[in-house]
Amino acid sequence: DIVMTQSPDSLAVSLGERATINCKSSQSVLYSSNNKNYLAWYQQKLGQPPKLLIYWASTRESGVPDRFSGSGSGTDFTLTISSLQAEDVAVYYCQQYYSTRALTFGGGTKVEIK
Amino acid sequence: QVQLVQSGAEVKKPGSSVKVSCKASGGTFSSYTISWVRQAPGQGLEWMGRIIPILGIANYAHKFQGRVTITADKSTSTAYMEMSSLRSEDTAVYYCARDAPDGSSGRIDAFDIWGQGTLVTVSS
Repeated sequence: DIVMTQSPDSLAVSLGERATINCKSSQSVLYSSNNKNYLAWYQQKLGQPPKLLIYWASTRESGVPDRFSGSGSGTDFTLTISSLQAEDVAVYYCQQYYSTRALTFGGGTKVEIK
Repeated sequence: QVQLVQSGAEVKKPGSSVKVSCKASGGTFSSYTISWVRQAPGQGLEWMGRIIPILGIANYAHKFQGRVTITADKSTSTAYMEMSSLRSEDTAVYYCARDAPDGSSGRIDAFDIWGQGTLVTVSS
């Protein structure tokens, strides 16, 4: 199975500052035939199911604020929150969907307010 | 707008089985797949398997093969996840989730709509 490793495990950021979360896959999730990265990001607030933020590594889901952005290719990816808001306190997960018979998630990154 | 509504919390004894339901409303049930994802207390997300309701075909993560059965009833737009031989480590919130549209005409194995979750507690 493709192992997804996120870093850091947690981070505390001041309101209005940038938060950066990293995700590394144990093998490339870039599909050469369409040049797309099969990587998604989710936000999970306490007591709620996850919410899809980004897919294809950098495409924002409808309704997601543009302060959330995804980047990266191959095995290394980043989720950036450009200006942290109070409502962004949550755990964030990456997920690969390259291996369709073995979908896997990263371990999560907890974002808090400093 | 599609909604997924799951059955209520369960408390089970070790060695028993549990069956969780996920009823879809507001969309065409057979036009997407339903996956099951679980989350142990304080832990991350773990994909268990999926079903393609229009075909009735399910596939499973290797870890759950043989112990989990995912089915769907098109007539009631309901998907089910049944797990047998329960052990304490299976205590978790179980979510159903729909595969997302890919921004054009296809779908991807990321999940845009989730059920509210069902807590399954395995305890003697």
